[in-house]
Amino acid sequence: AQSVTQPDIHITVSEGASLELRCNYSYGATPYLFWYVQSPGQGLQLLLKYFSGDTLVQGIKGFEAEFKRSQSSFNLRKPSVHWSDAAEYFCAAPLLTSGSARQLTFGSGTQLTVLP
Amino acid sequence: DVKVTQSSRYLVKRTGEKVFLECVQDMDHENMFWYRQDPGLGLRLIYFSYDVKMKEKGDIPEGYSVSREKKERFSLILESASTNQTSMYLCASKKVWSGHLDLETQYFGPGTRLLVL
Repeated sequence: AQSVTQPDIHITVSEGASLELRCNYSYGATPYLFWYVQSPGQGLQLLLKYFSGDTLVQGIKGFEAEFKRSQSSFNLRKPSVHWSDAAEYFCAAPLLTSGSARQLTFGSGTQLTVLP
Repeated sequence: DVKVTQSSRYLVKRTGEKVFLECVQDMDHENMFWYRQDPGLGLRLIYFSYDVKMKEKGDIPEGYSVSREKKERFSLILESASTNQTSMYLCASKKVWSGHLDLETQYFGPGTRLLVL
């Protein structure tokens, strides 16, 4: 079955440091992959998405992610973290279901803490 | 901008009460979803609807039902609330699959945090 795994439950970085959040997927074909961010008390906001083509995807808020088929990974990166980046991050992939609706399957999330 | 709104941000109910969570989207999306979010478990799909009056069970439908009478509105119903339904509930919507991958983006509401006492 298709699945998405985020191996890190919690990551702490200092403000200004670089960031990498890991996401691994299990898929038969080329996957479609998303990164969402959830700030405290808020819904989910789309950061970026990968469907095909260039394996390095740029998103909002200075984030990027790289799709690596050989490693089954879609890691999220940011060169310099800001205190406002403290949030929970979810990697997700769509599953085709009936009626052409595609539910999303989510990783369990990575909570990011940013130290001053 | 796509807007998905949920009727309440916070809700406190008693065990056994019937609870209605409402979700409205303003972008004429065919597909709508209800997720439940719990720490360490990520988001899990409760029910989804691929069109008006169409609904299907997700991964954890037990104890819940849904209603989609109008395209813009998708309601989640807890028939008899229990303490294990204390959670954050998130609604999402998107366009129906049309072959255009750039439309395969779900838009989320702000969530309803439900406490069942």
